[in-house]
Amino acid sequence: GQNIDQPTEMTATEGAIVQINCTYQTSGFNGLFWYQQHAGEAPTFLSYNVLDGLEEKGRFSSFLSRSKGYSYLLLKELQMKDSASYLCAVTDSNYQLIWGAGTKLIIKP
Amino acid sequence: IAGITQAPTSQILAAGRRMTLRCTQDMRHNAMYWYRQDLGLGLRLIHYSNTAGTTGKGEVPDGYSVSRANTDDFPLTLASAVPSQTSVYFCASSLTSGDTDTQYFGPGTRLTVL
Repeated sequence: GQNIDQPTEMTATEGAIVQINCTYQTSGFNGLFWYQQHAGEAPTFLSYNVLDGLEEKGRFSSFLSRSKGYSYLLLKELQMKDSASYLCAVTDSNYQLIWGAGTKLIIKP
Repeated sequence: IAGITQAPTSQILAAGRRMTLRCTQDMRHNAMYWYRQDLGLGLRLIHYSNTAGTTGKGEVPDGYSVSRANTDDFPLTLASAVPSQTSVYFCASSLTSGDTDTQYFGPGTRLTVL
């Protein structure tokens, strides 16, 4: 079957660094997305990885290892506004997105 | 309009009633999607449309129907609502249905079926 696993909740301190992990088992692989979703709002795009390695975009970076079925989202210099859920999604062999349940990130001052 | 809109924002509905959730985008995207989001679960695809005039079933299509008469609109209909359809519904669109295309989401409709 198809499965995407993420931690349910994480807590971090303002100014610190946090890494949110995502492991996946899907029928085929055509890319991995990370989205951010603030409470009561729509998901918004953060990053896309299709090749192994690290993609850096400002304070956010995303890493992919296709052989391990693993990705992580790294958030640096955490700000209170980063409190949100972070959704990992994989494009399967049918080009449909399979979504993880999301990781709720709580930032404390 | 800029982007993707949904209506209504929220709705309380009696079981057995028919309901249509509306979705409109002005980005000239070819592909559109309907998801439901439930606590503790990932977004689940209900139906999709790769281009105007075509639709397909997602992971959880039962009890829902869609149509795609033109590029901009993609309504979702619940023919006879049941309490298990209580959820937050998101419409999304992407330029194409290809693997690299980012999906853009509407603000969602919160539906409660009693």
